[in-house]
Amino acid sequence: DGGITQSPKYLFRKEGQNVTLSCEQNLNHDAMYWYRQDPGQGLRLIYYSQIVNDFQKGDIAEGYSVSREKKESFPLTVTSAQKNPTAFYLCASKQQNTEAFFGQGTRLTVV
Amino acid sequence: DQQVKQNSPSLSVQEGRISILNCDYTNSMFDYFLWYKKYPAEGPTFLISISSIKDKNEDGRFTVFLNKSAKHLSLHIVPSQPGDSAVYFCAARGHGGSQGNLIFGKGTKLSVKP
Repeated sequence: DGGITQSPKYLFRKEGQNVTLSCEQNLNHDAMYWYRQDPGQGLRLIYYSQIVNDFQKGDIAEGYSVSREKKESFPLTVTSAQKNPTAFYLCASKQQNTEAFFGQGTRLTVV
Repeated sequence: DQQVKQNSPSLSVQEGRISILNCDYTNSMFDYFLWYKKYPAEGPTFLISISSIKDKNEDGRFTVFLNKSAKHLSLHIVPSQPGDSAVYFCAARGHGGSQGNLIFGKGTKLSVKP
């Protein structure tokens, strides 16, 4: 079955550590996205990539980094520079004129 | 500056009645609008969309209306069912350097009471 998979579902990070969230899709979509959801804030765009080996900052990119070495994969690293990383992270993919398909999300908690 | 606004954070309706969720936008260049449904701790799922060249799109119990002059769209759910209880996000397709990107509202939490 085609789809988009995020792992892990739950992740705990100590302060000062970097962590990487995985996102894989087998939908053959060109574009991939990372969003962050906080209560009452909706979905805010962190980074996006419209093609392999290229990515752009979204609205809240500070403290995050990404790579797009393969079409299927768009990992997000939450660095120690992100001051408030506890949130629900959502990855999505889409083609140019279609709706976005979302993964099931990763809940990151700083302990 | 919010380009897509959902001004009602929550809505409660009785089972069997109509649910109307509203969304306003500011950018007249948006050409495509979508509604997503989201349950807690899950990713949003696509519900229904509408192109800016139309004013209505219907899919079963779900209908989306677009009023371009007012920069307003709404999602109607008739009849509402308890399983419809979720957060609903309105989204619009962006333009310019981020063409194809979706811009989301903050969501409206719908509660359908039996």
